[in-house]
Amino acid sequence: EAGVAQSPRYKIIEKRQSVAFWCNPISGHATLYWYQQILGQGPKLLIQFQNNGVVDDSQLPKDRFSAERLKGVDSTLKIQPAKLEDSAVYLCASSLVGTHGNTIYFGEGSWLTVV
Amino acid sequence: AQSVTQLDSQVPVFEEAPVELRCNYSSSVSVYLFWYVQYPNQGLQLLLKYLSGSTLVESINGFEAEFNKSQTSFHLRKPSVHISDTAEYFCAAVFSGANNLFFGTGTRLTVIP
Repeated sequence: EAGVAQSPRYKIIEKRQSVAFWCNPISGHATLYWYQQILGQGPKLLIQFQNNGVVDDSQLPKDRFSAERLKGVDSTLKIQPAKLEDSAVYLCASSLVGTHGNTIYFGEGSWLTVV
Repeated sequence: AQSVTQLDSQVPVFEEAPVELRCNYSSSVSVYLFWYVQYPNQGLQLLLKYLSGSTLVESINGFEAEFNKSQTSFHLRKPSVHISDTAEYFCAAVFSGANNLFFGTGTRLTVIP
C-alpha cells in the first residue's frame, strides 16, 4: 500500500517568510499527526487530527503555526512568519483510529531551513 | 512527569559485534512502548512494539527488546550487527490517558567495518 506522502521534501526560506507543507495520509487512516523534529532531538507532536477535528494542538505555537485537515484526508501545515528556530524536519504521520495499540506510519519528512 | 530517556546519543560498534541501545521511561500509568528506526534521509519506520503479553518482542531483522516493568526499561538488542544497521534509533511511548507518542532523543548507531 502507498505510504504517507509529504511535499515539498526540502525548503529554504528567509526568516519572516511563510511556508506550507502538505501531507496525504495512508488511505483509510482517520488519525493524522504533524511532528517537529529539531536536529539532535526526538520528534515532538505539534498537532493531532481525528478525521477533520483537532484532538491535540497543545504544543502548536499558534501565533505562527496553523494546520488544517479539510474533508478529513489531506492536511496542510503552515508557518507564518518563520523564525530561525523553526528550522527542523516536519514529519507527517497517520494511523487507524487513535494511538493506543495502533502503529503510527511516518512520511519521509519535509526539511525546512530558515536563514 | 511522563518521559522517555535514551542516555546514549551515539553508539559505535564493530560489524558482527552485539549491541544494546538503552531506553528508560518514567510513568505511573500503563504504557505501550515502541522502537523506531530512521535511516539517513528517510522517515521513521517502526522496528518493534510492546503492547501486552510476552515481554520479549522481536523484529524481522534480528532486533529484540524486552519490557522490564520493575526497571522501567525497554532496551533494544541485537546479537550481531551489520553495516546496514547504521541509523538513528528512537524509543517512544504512549502513556495511558495520552493521545500521542512521546519520543526519546534518539541514539545514533554506527557500525564500523
